[in-house]
Amino acid sequence: DTGVSQNPRHKITKRGQNVTFRCDPISEHNRLYWYRQTLGQGPEFLTYFQNEAQLEKSRLLSDRFSAERPKGSFSTLEIQRTEQGDSAMYLCASSLLPTQFNEQYFGPGTRLTVT
Amino acid sequence: AQTVTQSQPEMSVQEAETVTLSCTYDTSESDYYLFWYKQPPSRQMILVIRQEAYKQQNATENRFSVNFQKAAKSFSLKISDSQLGDAAMYFCAYKDGNQFYFGTGTSLTVIP
Repeated sequence: DTGVSQNPRHKITKRGQNVTFRCDPISEHNRLYWYRQTLGQGPEFLTYFQNEAQLEKSRLLSDRFSAERPKGSFSTLEIQRTEQGDSAMYLCASSLLPTQFNEQYFGPGTRLTVT
Repeated sequence: AQTVTQSQPEMSVQEAETVTLSCTYDTSESDYYLFWYKQPPSRQMILVIRQEAYKQQNATENRFSVNFQKAAKSFSLKISDSQLGDAAMYFCAYKDGNQFYFGTGTSLTVIP
């Protein structure tokens, strides 16, 4: 078990560019979550998948954001036409359902800087 | 909407001493779960301890224990015999249904 991995770990991009992040969950985990974390704040929920189905999206997730989990394994989060306000740490977490707690296991995050 | 409040942005504790981190939450649900996560500097978040709302008994994990007061909607974390490796941001989290809600975190410094 290698845990949740995310790539890249850091991304610097210019405003207006598109970026894509990848998350590889723990292999048997069927739930996958994306969060955004800004400095001094806790993670804010963006969206989650159960297997390949995207079941819920936050109002924080504007039309410029899209997420996929095509085969129920890894997931990608794409941000189009990036803005400076998108600068944040993007966290991925996975969990196994059904379990009592459904606790989440987090990846190291991708830090996005939009210049 | 569910909210989680951590009123202590920063805390410090002497090595080997005990410290308590506070967390309150707002919900109208009766069945939910509560968690404490630790986020060391530049490292990923890891689960410290968890609690089911329907259990009156407070959860414990080695040096970590909680004081869960359901009526008061309070969920504090006690760290006993603090170690240098306990220095981190600590996040309280609430879960009902499918979503997790996190507080703003408490930065814990451990003084040698």
